[in-house]
Parts: sequence; C-alpha cells; structure tokens
Amino acid sequence: GAGVSQSPSNKVTEKGKDVELRCDPISGHTALYWYRQRLGQGLEFLIYFQGNSAPDKSGLPSDRFSAERTGESVSTLTIQRTQQEDSAVYLCASRPDPDFAPHEQYFGPGTRLTVT
Amino acid sequence: RKEVEQDPGPFNVPEGATVAFNCTYSNSASQSFFWYRQDCRKEPKLLMSVYSSGNEDGRFTAQLNRASQYISLLIRDSKLSDSATYLCAVNSRKGGGGGADGLTFGKGTHLIIQP
Repeated sequence: GAGVSQSPSNKVTEKGKDVELRCDPISGHTALYWYRQRLGQGLEFLIYFQGNSAPDKSGLPSDRFSAERTGESVSTLTIQRTQQEDSAVYLCASRPDPDFAPHEQYFGPGTRLTVT
Repeated sequence: RKEVEQDPGPFNVPEGATVAFNCTYSNSASQSFFWYRQDCRKEPKLLMSVYSSGNEDGRFTAQLNRASQYISLLIRDSKLSDSATYLCAVNSRKGGGGGADGLTFGKGTHLIIQP
C-alpha cells in the first residue's frame, strides 16, 4: 500500500515568509508525528497527533511553528516568518493505533526547506 | 545523561567484515526499541525491532541488554550497500520529548563499508 507522502519535496523561501508543509499519513494510521532534522544532526521531535486527542506540542521550538491535522488524515505544519535557522528537512511519520500495534513509525520522504 | 546516545562514528569497515555498535538509553521504563537505517538525504527506514530475547534478520542481529540499558546491532559479512547511518529509537513516555508513546531517536552512527 501507499506509504507516508509529503509535499513539497523541496521548498526554497525568503526569510520572513510563511511556509506550509503537508503530510499524508498511511491510511488507517491514527498517530502522526512531525520531526525536524538539520544537516548532519539527529531527529528533533516537533509535534504529535493521536486521534481526536489534543496534540502534544512540546517539541515546537517557537510560536512561529504550528500544525493541524484533519481527523486522522492530512496534517499541515506551518512556519511563520521563517528564519535561516529553520532550514532543515521536515519529516512526517505515522503509526498504527497504539492499542493494536507496537511503536514503530513509518516516515515520509521529508520536505527539504531552505530559507535564504 | 542524554535520553538516547550513540557513537556518531564514522565506523570504517572493510567489506565482508563484521561490525557492531551500541546505543544506550537512560529511561529504564522504556519498552520498545528499534533500529532504523537512514541513507544520505533520505528518510529513516525501519530496519528491525529489538526484542527482549534478541532477534536476527539475515546478516543483522539486534540485542537488548536491560541491565546495562543498551541495545546493539551486529552486521555480519558487511556489504557496500550497508553504508548508511544507523539510528536507534527508544519509546518514550508522554512528555518525554517524543510524543505520547512516541520514540526518542539517537543521532545515529555513520557506517562506511570500504571495498
């Protein structure tokens, strides 16, 4: 079946502009995660959605970052007033319902964001 | 102590050799452990889960040592195509930085298989 998809694959934007990144999880996966990975660095957790529960936003680095998810489907990550330090690959991952599956996550190909 | 730690490497290993690397974790209540593989400029892909009894998948063997709080990955008869970064992931509790029942990732160990 189809995996996690993300769009756009690459985004170049000017400092100060807003960007919106999209993630389509695997169908039926109730949990969705956003991560950031700077060049040569590890994965940095940003935000987590599980079903209709309130999202866990504990990883968002500033109030310029926000994310939404419609039901158990598409999620968008929005970065307002982008800064050069926002340049990174933004990865989305989804996971089946934790009551029925272990904790392994499946990643999308990521969106490479470059802020000039 | 960081939640999940790995030796960043790089590990330079001749083709055909056996290589092993570890990943230590700080949360003794962690229950699930995984190894992911990440190729350059690609997303992480699940390599294997790590079970209490250890598990083997072809040339790859993963083991868990709860007493010392580390997991290991051993690669036998290494191939050029094994060159990648290997990330370990440990499940975290809510508020632990990975999302409820989420995963905390190490920064990865870079493996280079040389011909």
